[in-house]
Amino acid sequence: DQQVKQNSPSLSVQEGRISILNCDYTNSMFDYFLWYKKYPAEGPTFLISISSIKDKNEDGRFTVFLNKSAKHLSLHIVPSQPGDSAVYFCAAARNSGNTPLVFGKGTRLSVIA
Amino acid sequence: SAVISQKPSRDICQRGTSLTIQCQVDSQVTMMFWYRQQPGQSLTLIATANQGSEATYESGFVIDKFPISRPNLTFSTLTVSNMSPEDSSIYLCSVQPDRKLAGNTIYFGEGSWLTVV
Repeated sequence: DQQVKQNSPSLSVQEGRISILNCDYTNSMFDYFLWYKKYPAEGPTFLISISSIKDKNEDGRFTVFLNKSAKHLSLHIVPSQPGDSAVYFCAAARNSGNTPLVFGKGTRLSVIA
Repeated sequence: SAVISQKPSRDICQRGTSLTIQCQVDSQVTMMFWYRQQPGQSLTLIATANQGSEATYESGFVIDKFPISRPNLTFSTLTVSNMSPEDSSIYLCSVQPDRKLAGNTIYFGEGSWLTVV
């Protein structure tokens, strides 16, 4: 039973365009969401997060949108750069933390120059 | 942020042997976790390493197979016991500096890549 789903295993985007990575969750108790980026042979690095009291959080080129009614969140990267090519993991937690993160399977983003 | 060092970074292990992975953090942290990422799979939590007491294991993981130590707030070990090829995976140490995640985050080490032959 996968509580966090990233249904697109891969995505290719032209440099300069927008990358949109999607994530769905099933557990309505989740109230904190994070995106991690992972390069090969490295551990995941934190990218951006959002609390369920918000519907949008922006940090530079990265924006996360949360639609609680649809149990859906998305990560937008604008403009996409070749260095953004990595695997992106969506993660969720309950009770604003103090519970372990639940991860999706990841989406491999390839930004083509 | 927290700087996390994991050792070994990579190893090839013989079937039936055990290997201990070390995780050292540059500052005291409240929460430490061990994750596994098998090929093509998501990051899966193995257990929460509790300082001064037994680790809390997730469903499907047991102490006999994955004994964990956490003697202090900056160090933990994970042992993969009696390894089989199915244990070939990346094992990741992660830390959460404060108990509340909101306004905070979880940091990961670079991972330990184990191949069991």
